[in-house]
Amino acid sequence: NAGVTQTPKFRVLKTGQSMTLLCAQDMNHEYMYWYRQDPGMGLRLIHYSVGEGTTAKGEVPDGYNVSRLKKQNFLLGLESAAPSQTSVYFCASTDAGDPDTQYFGPGTRLTVL
Amino acid sequence: AQSVTQLDSQVPVFEEAPVELRCNYSSSVSVYLFWYVQYPNQGLQLLLKYLSGSTLVKGINGFEAEFNKSQTSFHLRKPSVHISDTAEYFCAVRSVGSGGFKTIFGAGTRLFVKA
Repeated sequence: NAGVTQTPKFRVLKTGQSMTLLCAQDMNHEYMYWYRQDPGMGLRLIHYSVGEGTTAKGEVPDGYNVSRLKKQNFLLGLESAAPSQTSVYFCASTDAGDPDTQYFGPGTRLTVL
Repeated sequence: AQSVTQLDSQVPVFEEAPVELRCNYSSSVSVYLFWYVQYPNQGLQLLLKYLSGSTLVKGINGFEAEFNKSQTSFHLRKPSVHISDTAEYFCAVRSVGSGGFKTIFGAGTRLFVKA
């Protein structure tokens, strides 16, 4: 039982490049989330999904897209990276029966030059 | 709308000393409250949560927190800290009846335990 895993762990992009971050969970959780963590600002929700095939915007969705084609995977895409997207990205998941216990992945540290 | 304020960005403390990490929230409705811990280079892990019932909540690793509705606070305490408690701690809130995606996190408090 690996829990929540994220790929890659680190990435450096140039402005304008695109990339996809992969989140996978093996706990059969219905809900999945993408957050970004910036110094002094805590975690801010980018997008979330309440089930396979569904996604919704969070607090800071601009510049990001997501997809949930399979229940266990939640992808975060940056179509045209900007320096303001330099951050640590965390994926999390919760079971529908216990929405208050979020399980987090180890994070992806992204630098946009 | 809810908001969370963690009153200290950093808290240095000596090993075996007690510690309190302060959290205040703002909300016009009833809330659930949480504390998460983030060890270096790891994701967040739930320490404890208050949903209802007793206002004193015990969590993992000897931590506890007390919900004070009149002061809108949810301070985290530990009577004797260890070096291994060095981490960043996040207070979080969401309104009763809302989904998990409505959880609002504070900016974090970095606890540094010195030998």
